[in-house]
Amino acid sequence: AQRVTQPEKLLSVFKGAPVELKCNYSYSGSPELFWYVQYSRQRLQLLLRHISRESIKGFTADLNKGETSFHLKKPFAQEEDSAMYYCALRDQAGTALIFGKGTTLSVSS
Amino acid sequence: GAVVSQHPSRVICKSGTSVKIECRSLDFQATTMFWYRQFPKQSLMLMATSNEGSKATYEQGVEKDKFLINHASLTLSTLTVTSAHPEDSSFYICSAADRAKTQYFGPGTRLLVL
Repeated sequence: AQRVTQPEKLLSVFKGAPVELKCNYSYSGSPELFWYVQYSRQRLQLLLRHISRESIKGFTADLNKGETSFHLKKPFAQEEDSAMYYCALRDQAGTALIFGKGTTLSVSS
Repeated sequence: GAVVSQHPSRVICKSGTSVKIECRSLDFQATTMFWYRQFPKQSLMLMATSNEGSKATYEQGVEKDKFLINHASLTLSTLTVTSAHPEDSSFYICSAADRAKTQYFGPGTRLLVL
């Protein structure tokens, strides 16, 4: 069965510290992986996707098929990064997204 | 960028009544829209996939007669919660997929059934 696991409910770091939000997935084929972010009182928005291999707001994520992981990383966290982060998977058929339970990132000064 | 709107943003209704929630893609056409439900401090749970001009595909455990979905045009999908009960109270979120299959999310609708 398709599943996305985000083991951490809450991650608290100090400003300037490195951040890694963990995401593991279970899927038999070749999925597409995404990270979505939801800032306080705002809608869910796409942060990045693995096929783009891009860096958005300093965040990067590499798909590791061997470990079935797609961890989100940022070398130096900023207070404005505080938000809820969801890892999501889409199957090859390109239908709906399957979301992890989300991780709240809290960055304090 | 692509914008998806939802209306209403918040609705309170009496038990037994029906409530309609609209989801619109404002600046792009969406052949596929999705409806999610989010419980407090939990993840988004996919309820159904709505395809323009055809019947919606419901996820296991979601009652299609209770959650009626209509996708009448390429920019509008509606979710009607029929005979609402207090346990239907939740946050309902829609998304619309563009040609590249990128999903853009609406701001959500908070439903409270008394």
